[in-house]
Amino acid sequence: AQSVAQPEDQVNVAEGNPLTVKCTYSVSGNPYLFWYVQYPNRGLQFLLKYITGDNLVKGSYGFEAEFNKSQTSFHLKKPSALVSDSALYFCAVRDEGSNYQLIWGAGTKLIIKP
Amino acid sequence: DAGVIQSPRHEVTEMGQEVTLRCKPISGHNSLFWYRQTMMRGLELLIYFNNNVPIDDSGMPEDRFSAKMPNASFSTLKIQPSEPRDSAVYFCASSRGGGGAYEQYFGPGTRLTVT
Repeated sequence: AQSVAQPEDQVNVAEGNPLTVKCTYSVSGNPYLFWYVQYPNRGLQFLLKYITGDNLVKGSYGFEAEFNKSQTSFHLKKPSALVSDSALYFCAVRDEGSNYQLIWGAGTKLIIKP
Repeated sequence: DAGVIQSPRHEVTEMGQEVTLRCKPISGHNSLFWYRQTMMRGLELLIYFNNNVPIDDSGMPEDRFSAKMPNASFSTLKIQPSEPRDSAVYFCASSRGGGGAYEQYFGPGTRLTVT
């Protein structure tokens, strides 16, 4: 069965420090992986995706994510956190063979403290 | 591009009333999704349309929920009659394709409160 796990409900980081939001997945075939961000009272915004190729994917707002096939992970990273990065982050996966179904993680609340 | 447009942004209604949520997808996108978000259940897919045709409505909670897409630029989600447990944020999302590597673009959502 396909699944996504975001093992941390909340991540706290000091402003200026690097941040990592973790995501692991399980699919039967090759994965398409996505990260979204949700600010309070807003819809989800697409940040970046992994399809194939380079394991390090760069996205919006200085975020990047590293695909690790052996660990079935797709962790979201940023070298230097901003207070404005505080939001809810969702990881999602689609099996290459799936027609449309996106499997969503439960979300990780990221809090950046000044 | 204006992005996905949803209306209303907030809806407060009494139990038993009919509620209609509206969505305008991004022009050129052929896939449309309705989601519901709650603290308890997270993000749930309610229904998926491709080229205006409902493909999967297995996520629709019960017969009180119905969705239509009469044309490529408009979709509605209707709840009749509404119940307090329907209180949630409802999102519409669209994409260039239903699957593959296509990402979904979300609207701002409709926050529904049923009293």
